[in-house]
Amino acid sequence: AQSVSQHNHHVILSEAASLELGCNYSYGGTVNLFWYVQYPGQHLQLLLKYFSGDPLVKGIKGFEAEFIKSKFSFNLRKPSVQWSDTAEYFCAVKTGGYQKVTFGTGTKLQVIP
Amino acid sequence: SQTIHQWPATLVQPVGSPLSLECTVEGTSNPNLYWYRQAAGRGLQLLFYSVGIGQISSEVPQNLSASRPQDRQFILSSKKLLLSDSGFYLCAWSFNQPGELFFGEGSRLTVL
Repeated sequence: AQSVSQHNHHVILSEAASLELGCNYSYGGTVNLFWYVQYPGQHLQLLLKYFSGDPLVKGIKGFEAEFIKSKFSFNLRKPSVQWSDTAEYFCAVKTGGYQKVTFGTGTKLQVIP
Repeated sequence: SQTIHQWPATLVQPVGSPLSLECTVEGTSNPNLYWYRQAAGRGLQLLFYSVGIGQISSEVPQNLSASRPQDRQFILSSKKLLLSDSGFYLCAWSFNQPGELFFGEGSRLTVL
């Protein structure tokens, strides 16, 4: 069965610091990968996605993620965080022809002004 | 444009009582529909998903069930609630881009 691991549960950064959130999945076949974000008091929303092609994908608000197939990883990065990036971030994977979407446990990011 | 609605937004129920949470999508047809439960520190746990009317896939054996009586309606139910059923329940849909989910507002269930 597919699973998703997010190693960092709570990250605290100062504004302008660089961010990298880890995400690993367990599935040997074709995957679609996602990062979702939940800002305080708001719905979960899609941050970025990978279906195929260039393994470096760019999303909204300056976020990017790199799919490394050999490492089963899809880490989220941002060169310089802002206070408004304070939120909970979830990695998710959809495998093969199935419609099942599995989420990780989430990482709470707190950015200090 | 497509919208998703979930209700009720909050619910307080005694142990042993029944449950019905409803989710409706508007502006699309034949969406994939999902029920997740979100718990602090545990992320989103997939409970059920459906690719069509009457087609339900259950991911976690438990006290809950799901039904899809109409194309754009997804219902989460229980005959007898347990304390452990307390949580935040999210409905979501996807269509052209499988895995790209759009979430509802969520329903917070407290079982006492």
